[in-house]
Amino acid sequence: NAGVTQTPKFQVLKTGQSMTLQCAQDMNHEYMSWYRQDPGMGLRLIHYSVGAGITDQGEVPNGYNVSRSTTEDFPLRLLSAAPSQTSVYFCASSSRTYYNEQFFGPGTRLTVL
Amino acid sequence: GQQVMQIPQYQHVQEGEDFTTYCNSSTTLSNIQWYKQRPGGHPVFLIQLVKSGEVKKQKRLTFQFGEAKKNSSLHITATQTTDVGTYFCAGPAQGGSEKLVFGKGTKLTVNP
Repeated sequence: NAGVTQTPKFQVLKTGQSMTLQCAQDMNHEYMSWYRQDPGMGLRLIHYSVGAGITDQGEVPNGYNVSRSTTEDFPLRLLSAAPSQTSVYFCASSSRTYYNEQFFGPGTRLTVL
Repeated sequence: GQQVMQIPQYQHVQEGEDFTTYCNSSTTLSNIQWYKQRPGGHPVFLIQLVKSGEVKKQKRLTFQFGEAKKNSSLHITATQTTDVGTYFCAGPAQGGSEKLVFGKGTKLTVNP
């Protein structure tokens, strides 16, 4: 199993550009989530999904959209990138629910100029 | 909203010294998880505590869940350079939503 994969590993955007961060898991996990990590801020939840077709907002959802059309994929879309979205983004998945062990992807380092 | 407070934010120790990080919540937690993130890496699950007063050990690591289920600690005995990284606790957000909220982490550095 590849576990949780994220692409790209690195990305540089200009202010106002849009892009999609990809996340996929091959463990048939129901629960998937996106976090951003900034220095001194820990991991902050952006959006999460409890299953295909179901998504909900986390702590810091503004400026991001998600969808969950399949169990395997959970892409994160930045609609109009801003410098404040410069961060490291982690996707995570777990079986059945949020309080089980979270498996994290390797992360995407995003810089918005 | 639900906050999980973690202290200290940074800890620097000499190799062989002990290390402890603390996690506190304003509300009762149904469970708490601990993760380790190596420099440049991603968080990796260490353990989950569920029961009041629970104590679990993993080699030199000891995890405790408070009697009131509002606090938890991770203690490392005789630190090694391989213990370097940031340790996070995480707990369910308040209000019944299916959100997992992380503390800000404790960054451990070990001087050999």
